[in-house]
Amino acid sequence: GAGVSQTPSNKVTEKGKYVELRCDPISGHTALYWYRQSLGQGPEFLIYFQGTGAADDSGLPNDRFFAVRPEGSVSTLKIQRTERGDSAVYLCASSLGLAGLPNEQFFGPGTRLTVL
Amino acid sequence: GNSVTQMEGPVTLSEEAFLTINCTYTATGYPSLFWYVQYPGEGLQLLLKATKADDKGSNKGFEATYRKETTSFHLEKGSVQVSDSAVYFCALSPYTGNQFYFGTGTSLTVIP
Repeated sequence: GAGVSQTPSNKVTEKGKYVELRCDPISGHTALYWYRQSLGQGPEFLIYFQGTGAADDSGLPNDRFFAVRPEGSVSTLKIQRTERGDSAVYLCASSLGLAGLPNEQFFGPGTRLTVL
Repeated sequence: GNSVTQMEGPVTLSEEAFLTINCTYTATGYPSLFWYVQYPGEGLQLLLKATKADDKGSNKGFEATYRKETTSFHLEKGSVQVSDSAVYFCALSPYTGNQFYFGTGTSLTVIP
């Protein structure tokens, strides 16, 4: 079956540009997460969606970062006025989103963003 | 707050050696604990999990026991193989939350 997919796999951009990163979760998964992984570090939480709404966006580093999930499936992470410090691998994960015990998160392969 | 501290790598072992990767955590309440693995060129995959104290998670010969008294979830395998070479991440999910908190990862290389 299809897993979580992310596009593009690599993105190189110039400082100050705008980028969009796309995540297509596993069908039927209502919860979707974005993480950022810098070199030599573990994934760092950015934002969590339950359905169409952002249930927790406390990990977004500043207002240049924004994410949407308009139909409760595909999500787009948007970064405005990119800075060199935004260079990282951006990971998307999805889960069943069931209430109660934490659900296993299934991760995509990531988008490697390089800001020159 | 919530955090995970993981044994620093890289770790290099010979095939059939015993593996331990230490993981300790800080959390409010009673979190669930996970080990994820990232093989070269692949995404993160769940290796095993434990949802309450004294639970033992196991998979593919790996084991980890949720120790509340020492706030630890150390990963062990009795006999590693070359195919176990990967980066291992310890993670926790708080009882009242949904996001995962990850450690920094431990790179394991197994040589024949």
